[in-house]
Amino acid sequence: DQQVKQNSPSLSVQEGRISILNCDYTNSMFDYFLWYKKYPAEGPTFLISISSIKDKNEDGRFTVFLNKSAKHLSLHIVPSQPGDSAVYFCAANRGADGLTFGKGTHLIIQP
Amino acid sequence: GAVVSQHPSRVICKSGTSVKIECRSLDFQATTMFWYRQFPKKSLMLMATSNEGSKATYEQGVEKDKFLINHASLTLSTLTVTSAHPEDSSFYICSARLGLTEITDTQYFGPGTRLTVL
Repeated sequence: DQQVKQNSPSLSVQEGRISILNCDYTNSMFDYFLWYKKYPAEGPTFLISISSIKDKNEDGRFTVFLNKSAKHLSLHIVPSQPGDSAVYFCAANRGADGLTFGKGTHLIIQP
Repeated sequence: GAVVSQHPSRVICKSGTSVKIECRSLDFQATTMFWYRQFPKKSLMLMATSNEGSKATYEQGVEKDKFLINHASLTLSTLTVTSAHPEDSSFYICSARLGLTEITDTQYFGPGTRLTVL
């Protein structure tokens, strides 16, 4: 049973526009959510996180929104840049547990 | 800050041999490190939680006698793949957790190790 779901395997966005990556989860015990960016054959790079007690966290061009009632979070990147092209993983954890990852969304920024 | 290194980055070995992978937190102490495995075109799967000074906690389906984890210090965890077989070929990634508060409970990942067993 997949507890963290990223239903869009890929997303194509024009440079300068907003990229919105979505993530759904099923485990209501998750209390911390993170987004990672990953290139092939490299480890994930941490982007931004949000605690379950908040509904929004912003860091530069990246904003994460959390809707607990819908068990949904999203990552907004604005404006999108060519260097943002990568696979983005949504992850969640509960307390001291390891992370549970979604399958990732391949973001392609077109010039 | 929050840099995690892994060594080696790539290793090729013969079936039946053992391979050790090191994970180090370079600029912070990590009481907890994690080991993940990524299959081609798949997500990262948690293998085990490595706690400094105590035994690792393995996820269901992960053989603890095959994947030996040692967390001897606050900055070093090792994963040893024993008697490696071709099906163990994969991309292994470690992470170290920085802090344990609702604000800073973030894992930082190493660059990964590509293991190929011939």
